[in-house]
Amino acid sequence: EAGVAQSPRYKIIEKRQSVAFWCNPISGHATLYWYQQILGQGPKLLIQFQNNGVVDDSQLPKDRFSAERLKGVDSTLKIQPAKLEDSAVYLCASSPDRSSYNSPLHFGNGTRLTVT
Amino acid sequence: GESVGLHLPTLSVQEGDNSIINCAYSNSASDYFIWYKQESGKGPQFIIDIRSNMDKRQGQRVTVLLNKTVKHLSLQIAATQPGDSAVYFCAEGANYGGSQGNLIFGKGTKLSVKP
Repeated sequence: EAGVAQSPRYKIIEKRQSVAFWCNPISGHATLYWYQQILGQGPKLLIQFQNNGVVDDSQLPKDRFSAERLKGVDSTLKIQPAKLEDSAVYLCASSPDRSSYNSPLHFGNGTRLTVT
Repeated sequence: GESVGLHLPTLSVQEGDNSIINCAYSNSASDYFIWYKQESGKGPQFIIDIRSNMDKRQGQRVTVLLNKTVKHLSLQIAATQPGDSAVYFCAEGANYGGSQGNLIFGKGTKLSVKP
């Protein structure tokens, strides 16, 4: 099966600019996640969708970050305006249902964002 | 808050030797634990998971051990190969409730395999 697709692979922007990332999950996966991975750290959940509804966005900085999954398939994550500390790899993951034992997350290769 | 952490940030082993990567966790309510492997420029890749009611689980060349008494998790890789070189993360999760699906990741251990 095709994996989780993300684009772009790399993005360099100046602070205060806006940026958007796109994710196409594995076909049929109901749950989609966006994680932020700062260099040298483990991924941190930003937002979790179940179909087109938000399940958990408690760690999403809502003053600057937004995400949508309008048709329950593809998703976009936007940052506006970007700050230097937003430099990180943004990982998208999907699973058939909400992650549980024997139903792990499948990750894409991420978008590496550099804010200068 | 609750967190998952690792004892050793880097580990260097000789090809063919066994590797042991350790992880400490603090949330005794977690239902399962997962090990992920992340190669440079790629997303984390699932290796193996274990339920909280188990002590040991084996896969192909990998074994995960769970010690709930001391809240310790380890990943053992047998006959380590150059392709095993990567960063390894442990993560914990819940099977139900509002936190289901929210995996909490540790910081990672970099494994380097010397030929």
